[in-house]
Amino acid sequence: DGGITQSPKYLFRKEGQNVTLSCEQNLNHDAMYWYRQDPGQGLRLIYYSQIVNDFQKGDIAEGYSVSREKKESFPLTVTSAQKNPTAFYLCASSPRQRETQYFGPGTRLLVL
Amino acid sequence: QKEVEQDPGPLSVPEGAIVSLNCTYSNSAFQYFMWYRQYSRKGPELLMYTYSSGNKEDGRFTAQVDKSSKYISLFIRDSQPSDSATYLCAAHYTGTASKLTFGTGTRLQVTL
Repeated sequence: DGGITQSPKYLFRKEGQNVTLSCEQNLNHDAMYWYRQDPGQGLRLIYYSQIVNDFQKGDIAEGYSVSREKKESFPLTVTSAQKNPTAFYLCASSPRQRETQYFGPGTRLLVL
Repeated sequence: QKEVEQDPGPLSVPEGAIVSLNCTYSNSAFQYFMWYRQYSRKGPELLMYTYSSGNKEDGRFTAQVDKSSKYISLFIRDSQPSDSATYLCAAHYTGTASKLTFGTGTRLQVTL
């Protein structure tokens, strides 16, 4: 089955800890994205990547980092600099030259 | 002012009703418009994708775009309890990056 997988489903972070959220796709899509979803605020773009080894900051990149070493994978690290990390994190991908984005099932991050 | 505005609801309708969900947008450069359906604690699922003005129909769903008034609509005919979800509208303009701008979502409840 083609699709986007995110793991883990739930993640707990302690104060001062960095955590990494996984996103993998087997759709052969070139572009991948990370969004954060908070109640009443819709989806906000954190980072996006259009090609391997290249990525750009979105609207709320502070406190986050990403890498794109493989076409299939786009992990997101929530660093200790992100002071309010509790949210639902969504990964998406899209084919090059097309605008439709397809989403994974999401990871809910909670702070202990 | 947000670039894409959406009434958060909740909107409650009886089974079988016609549902009208709406968004307005402010950026005239938007050319691509999407509707996503998101069930609780799940990732958004692409429902409809339209380019520029006009109507697009897919089964019980009809997407309508009026660029002159900057108005986006999604109609659901013969609504079912399984349609109960949050509906997100999104818009995008042609460019080198596929950056979607989302509305905050409208929560729909279809009752028996």
